[in-house]
Amino acid sequence: KAGVTQTPRYLIKTRGQQVTLSCSPISGHRSVSWYQQTPGQGLQFLFEYFSETQRNKGNFPGRFSGRQFSNSRSEMNVSTLELGDSALYLCASSLRGGPYEQYFGPGTRLTVT
Amino acid sequence: KNEVEQSPQNLTAQEGEFITINCSYSVGISALHWLQQHPGGGIVSLFMLSSGKKKHGRLIATINIQEKHSSLHITASHPRDSAVYICADLSRNYGGSQGNLIFGKGTKLSVKP
Repeated sequence: KAGVTQTPRYLIKTRGQQVTLSCSPISGHRSVSWYQQTPGQGLQFLFEYFSETQRNKGNFPGRFSGRQFSNSRSEMNVSTLELGDSALYLCASSLRGGPYEQYFGPGTRLTVT
Repeated sequence: KNEVEQSPQNLTAQEGEFITINCSYSVGISALHWLQQHPGGGIVSLFMLSSGKKKHGRLIATINIQEKHSSLHITASHPRDSAVYICADLSRNYGGSQGNLIFGKGTKLSVKP
């Protein structure tokens, strides 16, 4: 089976712009979770989607949003980018979420200038 | 809110040494994950455990539910084991709006030949 893929892998944006990141889960997986990783805060949970519904959400402002499509592919969007949004954004897919194994994608490295 | 603490933060070992990384958490869990992150960002899920002990090759993970403590052991360490190891708690409240994944800050392991 192909692994989790994320596009793009690298992205440079300017403060105030918006960005959309994409994640394609492993075939058959219905849960997709998104994480932000920064040197200062480490890994933080953004949100999780299961069967096109947001099931869990971390403590991030409303500028961070996401969605999941019927084929389980997921996108996350960050509007009005701030310098502090520069980070590695990781998605992980899981068969059902919850206490199930999570498989991580390679991440998208976003730099905001 | 659960707090997850790892120790040590940094660890340098000689090839062949036995390595132990510790993870403590403050409230009850449904499952604890051990993750490995190599330079470049890719994350691999090593173990997910809710009780007892799991072994995969030279890696062993144990968890003591009563003491709220988990350990990751690496036997006969090798330079390719050099990575950041992260423990993560899957909250008991998973499935609701409070569901979250709480991450330790990570242990940076360097194994010298």
